[in-house]
Amino acid sequence: SQQGEEDPQALSIQEGENATMNCSYKTSINNLQWYRQNSGRGLVHLILIRSNEREKHSGRLRVTLDTSKKSSSLLITASRAADTASYFCAMYAEAGGTSYGKLTFGQGTILTVHP
Amino acid sequence: KAGVTQTPRYLIKTRGQQVTLSCSPISGHRSVSWYQQTPGQGLQFLFEYFSETQRNKGNFPGRFSGRQFSNSRSEMNVSTLELGDSALYLCASSLVGGLNEKLFFGSGTQLSVL
Repeated sequence: SQQGEEDPQALSIQEGENATMNCSYKTSINNLQWYRQNSGRGLVHLILIRSNEREKHSGRLRVTLDTSKKSSSLLITASRAADTASYFCAMYAEAGGTSYGKLTFGQGTILTVHP
Repeated sequence: KAGVTQTPRYLIKTRGQQVTLSCSPISGHRSVSWYQQTPGQGLQFLFEYFSETQRNKGNFPGRFSGRQFSNSRSEMNVSTLELGDSALYLCASSLVGGLNEKLFFGSGTQLSVL
């Protein structure tokens, strides 16, 4: 079963508005990444935040991570029509004493930005 | 630098057949991982290869297998296809850290099983 849950499932906003997407997970993670997917194409990496980090910025994107609440949020400021896409969080967790772990994805948030 | 290349882009098969999908990673990347994306189950990790060895595996039946060649190119094989195998199959590459670092995805292979 998926470790990550995202909300909202869909978000519709006007250009210029901010968009916030949330991701929650169940077990401890090593890092969390956010990806964007345009209409059934490949995923594009947005930001990676490690478990010892609380906030990261990249251009109009801001990601926060709260390990005590097991949640993360992605904020897109001043949205543009080109931001219309599906957004996924992906959680990486190491498996016990091994070096390599598992990657699980949230169900995604479909963002529509109207011109 | 060329991105991750997946071939073919679209594929139509019938139940019971087998299929092989190909993935060429970004030059210099040694880790290749595979994912299945369906409307019902979302994105699910299949397996990861590094230096021609499977380093990680998701929860898929043995009908799903893969391999990696010495040039890091990877293939994924699905035998005895079922209707439920219809999905977008994505591969991703990374330098060495595999799933623990930024992944670069290909555009995917859309498989339809009739």
